[in-house]
Amino acid sequence: AQSVAQPEDQVNVAEGNPLTVKCTYSVSGNPYLFWYVQYPNRGLQFLLKYITGDNLVKGSYGFEAEFNKSQTSFHLKKPSALVSDSALYFCAVRDDSNYQLIWGAGTKLIIKP
Amino acid sequence: ETGVTQTPRHLVMGMTNKKSLKCEQHLGHNAMYWYKQSAKKPLELMFVYSLEERVENNSVPSRFSPECPNSSHLFLHLHTLQPEDSALYLCASSQGSGTGRSYGYTFGSGTRLTVV
Repeated sequence: AQSVAQPEDQVNVAEGNPLTVKCTYSVSGNPYLFWYVQYPNRGLQFLLKYITGDNLVKGSYGFEAEFNKSQTSFHLKKPSALVSDSALYFCAVRDDSNYQLIWGAGTKLIIKP
Repeated sequence: ETGVTQTPRHLVMGMTNKKSLKCEQHLGHNAMYWYKQSAKKPLELMFVYSLEERVENNSVPSRFSPECPNSSHLFLHLHTLQPEDSALYLCASSQGSGTGRSYGYTFGSGTRLTVV
């Protein structure tokens, strides 16, 4: 069965430090992977996606994600965290059977000044 | 604003009430979705409407009833809900069909529903 896992409920990072939010996936074919962010009282916003090509994908707000096929991972990264990055982050993978997105449970990112 | 508008933003309803959630998009997208978001759980896809089909999650109770009168509007009709139905209900839209459908969703801000 196709699935996506975000192993951390919450990640705490000091402002200015690098951040990583983890995501692993399981798919039967080539993975189509996504990251979305949700700020308080808002809907989800698209950050970036991996379809094919370079393993390092750059997205909005200075975020990037690294696709690692051997480890079936798609971790979200940012070199220097901002307090305004504090939000809920969702990883998703496309279900090849119906093209819908399968979502992780989300990771709460807290950036402390 | 994202281009997907949901109303109301907050709704409190009793278990015997009937209410409706509304979603509207003016992005020219041809697929619309209802999701349920509960704390610390993956987003739960409830319904999909696209040009080709309506897709339902068979685990969604019949007390939730979707309506899509056109490609820009989507409703979720609610009746005799239970307290465990309290959640954030998100509407989303996307362009494309089949493989194109998953190339990015645009979400509304959601309706925070509380069932008392």
